[in-house]
Amino acid sequence: DSGVTQTPKHLITATGQRVTLRCSPRSGDLSVYWYQQSLDQGLQFLIQYYNGEERAKGNILERFSAQQFPDLHSELNLSSLELGDSALYFCASSEGGAGANVLTFGAGSRLTVL
Amino acid sequence: DAKTTQPNSMESNEEEPVHLPCNHSTISGTDYIHWYRQLPSQGPEYVIHGLTSNVNNRMASLAIAEDRKSSTLILHRATLRDAAVYYCILRRGDYKLSFGAGTTVTVRA
Repeated sequence: DSGVTQTPKHLITATGQRVTLRCSPRSGDLSVYWYQQSLDQGLQFLIQYYNGEERAKGNILERFSAQQFPDLHSELNLSSLELGDSALYFCASSEGGAGANVLTFGAGSRLTVL
Repeated sequence: DAKTTQPNSMESNEEEPVHLPCNHSTISGTDYIHWYRQLPSQGPEYVIHGLTSNVNNRMASLAIAEDRKSSTLILHRATLRDAAVYYCILRRGDYKLSFGAGTTVTVRA
């Protein structure tokens, strides 16, 4: 157990639907990162939050949104789902955003869009 | 983004050392070099990181070139459990922290 908790582990839904993925960071970590990993692809950076504020943004689609709450958990919302959104979504956390801070990843949420 | 270049794949025999190279010619002075690995069907896990000096921990060693334009992750005695994708990334603080394709390591029994 890495200390980063992601729910749900698996999710199957239909095109056009909306889902929410949840991440609880490791105790004491203030930064949360979201990544998408499609089949046989590398990890694509989506977005980073630090203590509730957005700090960095990657190639996150407009249909996707995220936020970090006062208790530091984060949610990634995916709407108007398409087949191509099927992927593993990983959340990671770190103490802060400094270069020396190590990322701890969760086990991921596997999204299947039918 | 600060880019890193890694070989697509490497093979090793069990109990032999593995040297994984990473080129990062555009590294800046504040970039830390991080290595993570991803075992099949798991989330990535931290391996090691450093700034300028070589680093050792229980999992591996990190050798950083004097000009910092390249680094090498060293697994001293590969085991079957070390078969994974290894990612070398540069981290400079709040910035798009992207992972490339990494190096797929295969360990032969």
